[in-house]
Amino acid sequence: AQSVTQLGSHVSVSEGALVLLRCNYSSSVPPYLFWYVQYPNQGLQLLLKYTSAATLVKGINGFEAEFKKSETSFHLTKPSAHMSDAAEYFCAVSWKAAGNKLTFGGGTRVLVKP
Amino acid sequence: AAGVIQSPRHLIKEKRETATLKCYPIPRHDTVYWYQQGPGQDPQFLISFYEKMQSDKGSIPDRFSAQQFSDYHSELNMSSLELGDSALYFCASSPQIAGEAYEQYFGPGTRLTVT
Repeated sequence: AQSVTQLGSHVSVSEGALVLLRCNYSSSVPPYLFWYVQYPNQGLQLLLKYTSAATLVKGINGFEAEFKKSETSFHLTKPSAHMSDAAEYFCAVSWKAAGNKLTFGGGTRVLVKP
Repeated sequence: AAGVIQSPRHLIKEKRETATLKCYPIPRHDTVYWYQQGPGQDPQFLISFYEKMQSDKGSIPDRFSAQQFSDYHSELNMSSLELGDSALYFCASSPQIAGEAYEQYFGPGTRLTVT
């Protein structure tokens, strides 16, 4: 079965430190990959997407992610955390053959310490 | 830029009542998706529509139904509400071009509370 897993439900980083959120998918066919951010009581905002073009994808707010087919991973990074990055982050995948619906990972809640 | 509009933003219903959630996609987006996010959970796909036809169905209870209208807005109808239906319901829209997965843009959600 096709699935997506986020390692770590909570991540705590210091302001200015590297943010690394891990996402792995399970599928014989590479999916489309997305990272969304959700602030409290708000909807999901797209950070970035991978759709078979460049493997290193740059998104909004200084985030980027690298698609590694050999590792079936799409980890999200930001070199320097800001207090405003505190939110929940969801990795999501979709497959054209499966109607393009999004399947989400469990989410990672990021806490930024001053 | 125009975003996805959902109404109402908050809804409180009693058990066994009926609720209708509305979604207005971004102009020129012909695909609408509905997701349910329970407390502390990730969003789960319910149902989707493309060009006013149901295109896919996920873990949507039989008590729920949905449709997409000629103006592309969509409604999710929920009957015989149960306490477990309390959740945040998101609508997302995307353009479909040659079947490619363009990103989905999410609305702010409707928070449904069933008492």
